[in-house]
Amino acid sequence: DTGVSQDPRHKITKRGQNVTFRCDPISEHNRLYWYRQTLGQGPEFLTYFQNEAQLEKSRLLSDRFSAERPKGSFSTLEIQRTEQGDSAMYLCASSPYRVTKLAGVHEQYFGPGTRLTVT
Amino acid sequence: SQQGEEDPQALSIQEGENATMNCSYKTSINNLQWYRQNSGRGLVHLILIRSNEREKHSGRLRVTLDTSKKSSSLLITASRAADTASYFCATDRQGFQKLVFGTGTRLLVSP
Repeated sequence: DTGVSQDPRHKITKRGQNVTFRCDPISEHNRLYWYRQTLGQGPEFLTYFQNEAQLEKSRLLSDRFSAERPKGSFSTLEIQRTEQGDSAMYLCASSPYRVTKLAGVHEQYFGPGTRLTVT
Repeated sequence: SQQGEEDPQALSIQEGENATMNCSYKTSINNLQWYRQNSGRGLVHLILIRSNEREKHSGRLRVTLDTSKKSSSLLITASRAADTASYFCATDRQGFQKLVFGTGTRLLVSP
């Protein structure tokens, strides 16, 4: 399977603990996105990378959140001192950004997500 | 915060019927995309329509875009039970390189 993979698929943690999620994008995709999705809502943008550069962060990404993509391949999202409000599905997506006549965001390929439950 | 809203929030139909979902958004956009999400799983890209396009087809899907009304519709013809899912529209604003998703329409297709 050459799609986007995420690990772990489920994570249960106690409030105050740190958690780290991993995303492996489609290998030739240079853009990688993180989203958060709560029950009954659409995904909300958190941050994105083009290769190893983090180009935009949402205001949703408090200082307890940090994301990296050190070699422009896989990415990690860490949440420190988790709170119950962090409970959500964390989705990763990759995209083959290309300089074309198509302005804006191209189609994105999503992973299955990591479901975080903070108790 | 969500940029768009889908209407209706939920839709229940019988196999073979057509399903129409609407999406409204707030700002000028480059592109509008539709995604499908099966229960508890990741999203799958369905179709992308550019801001200078008015209609696009892909198989049983037909998407329209009216930039003057800031709205789009997704029509699924001859629906199947396998089409049961949540459907989201997503837009990217001019000058921004991120998608903003709507609240979604939950479609239930009964055999």
